[in-house]
Amino acid sequence: KNQVEQSPQSLIILEGKNCTLQCNYTVSPFSNLRWYKQDTGRGPVSLTIMTFSENTKSNGRYTATLDADTKQSSLHITASQLSDSASYICVVSHRAGGSYIPTFGRGTSLIVHP
Amino acid sequence: DSGVTQTPKHLITATGQRVTLRCSPRSGDLSVYWYQQSLDQGLQFLIQYYNGEERAKGNILERFSAQQFPDLHSELNLSSLELGDSALYFCASSVGGGANQPQHFGDGTRLSIL
Repeated sequence: KNQVEQSPQSLIILEGKNCTLQCNYTVSPFSNLRWYKQDTGRGPVSLTIMTFSENTKSNGRYTATLDADTKQSSLHITASQLSDSASYICVVSHRAGGSYIPTFGRGTSLIVHP
Repeated sequence: DSGVTQTPKHLITATGQRVTLRCSPRSGDLSVYWYQQSLDQGLQFLIQYYNGEERAKGNILERFSAQQFPDLHSELNLSSLELGDSALYFCASSVGGGANQPQHFGDGTRLSIL
C-alpha cells in the first residue's frame, strides 16, 4: 500500500533557529516528491519538487533532500521566521498507467515563537 | 494570490443534497486537479483534467463527478451528500499535465453538511 509518513507531528521552535522535518514513504513506482507549505485556512503552496535523480533542491531558506534508496526525504528550514508557522506536507507521486497519482502525508505542524 | 479562483468559499447544505463547486484555473494553465481535505483523512487526490479530458483519477467516490469545460474552468459535483463529505475542497492548476508540473492551489471551498 502506498503510504507517506511524516515526523514529527508537531514542532515548536524559537525564531531564528533551524529545524528539519522528515518524510518516509513506501510509494512505488516513484515519480516525484513534493513539499508544500499550508497556512491555516489557505491552499498549499509548493516549496520543492524532486525527481528520482535529484537529491537536493533549495527554495530560499527551504532545502529538501531525497534519498531514493532509503525512501526518505527531509525539509530543512534555516533561520526560521514567524511567518514559517504553518503545516508542511510531503507528497509522493507514483505512476499508474499513463497518469501520476499523489499520496499525501498528514503534515508537520510548525510553530515559530518570537 | 495563486491566480486560481474557487467559488463559493463556503457552502452549507443538508444530507442528501447536491452541490457544485467551481474552479477557474490560472490564465494559461490547461490542467486542473481536485483535492479533498478532511480532519480525519488529510489531503486526498480526487481527479485531474487536462485540456478538457480526464487524465488521472484518485479516491473519488461514485457520488462525485467532475468536468472541465472548453474555457478550461472546472466543476466538481457532489451528490447524495453525507455528513462525512464535510471537508475543504481544493482546486489546483498547472500549465501542463505531466508529473513534475508545479501546481498552484486555490484557497478552497469549505463544505459543511448539516
